Amino acid sequence: DTGVSQNPRHKITKRGQNVTFRCDPISEHNRLYWYRQTLGQGPEFLTYFQNEAQLEKSRLLSDRFSAERPKGSFSTLEIQRTEQGDSAMYLCASSSLAGGLETQYFGPGTRLLVL
Amino acid sequence: AQKVTQAQTEISVVEKEDVTLDCVYETRDTTYYLFWYKQPPSGELVFLIRRNSFDEQNEISGRYSWNFQKSTSSFNFTITASQVVDSAVYFCALSGGAGGTSYGKLTFGQGTILTVHP
Repeated sequence: DTGVSQNPRHKITKRGQNVTFRCDPISEHNRLYWYRQTLGQGPEFLTYFQNEAQLEKSRLLSDRFSAERPKGSFSTLEIQRTEQGDSAMYLCASSSLAGGLETQYFGPGTRLLVL
Repeated sequence: AQKVTQAQTEISVVEKEDVTLDCVYETRDTTYYLFWYKQPPSGELVFLIRRNSFDEQNEISGRYSWNFQKSTSSFNFTITASQVVDSAVYFCALSGGAGGTSYGKLTFGQGTILTVHP
C-alpha cells in the first residue's frame, strides 16, 4: 500500500488569497480526515468524510474553509481569503472501518504560511 | 468533551537510558480508543499503537512498551534503551467508540518533545 499523500507540501501565500490543498488517501480507505496543527500543539480535528459524505465539521472550520471529496477518493481543502492566523500545518489522514476497528494513517502534511 | 494531557513538554535523555512518556485522558465514553503517534522532524505522524478501552493488557513491541491503567485514566509509553533515532515529538490521542459523539475523530495531547543525545 502506498501511504497518504498530500500536495503541495509547502505553500506561501499573501493574506487575502485563496489556497487549495489536495489529499490522496490510502486506496480503499473509506474515511478521510483533515486536521490542523499549529506550532507546539497537537493536531486539531477539522472535518471528516465517509466515502463522499462530509459527516462532521469542527467549529474551528470557519465559513472560509470548505472541503470536498467528490468521488469518495481524493479530497480537497480550500481556504478563501486567507488570514495570517491560518498559518499552520494541514494534515490529512485516512482509515478503514474493516473489522470494526479504526486506525488513522497520516500524510506528510501541507505547511501553509500566510504573509 | 474529551481531553488528553501530556504534562511533560520536553524530555532529554542520553542514549541507552529508559524513558517514560506520560499520558492522562478524560472521556465520558464507556468505549474508547487510545493511540500513540510519533512525529519526527519531517512532520509526518507515524502510528505506533492503538489500545481499546476494554483491553487493559499491557503491550510490548521491541523496545517500546505501553502501560494502560483505566483506574487512573493513564496510557503511558516507555522506550527502553533509547536511541538517537527515537528523537521526535510523541503524541497521545483519544477517540470515542462506535455510537459516541467523538467516534473516529482524534483528540490529541500537546505532545512531548523527546531528545536523545549520543
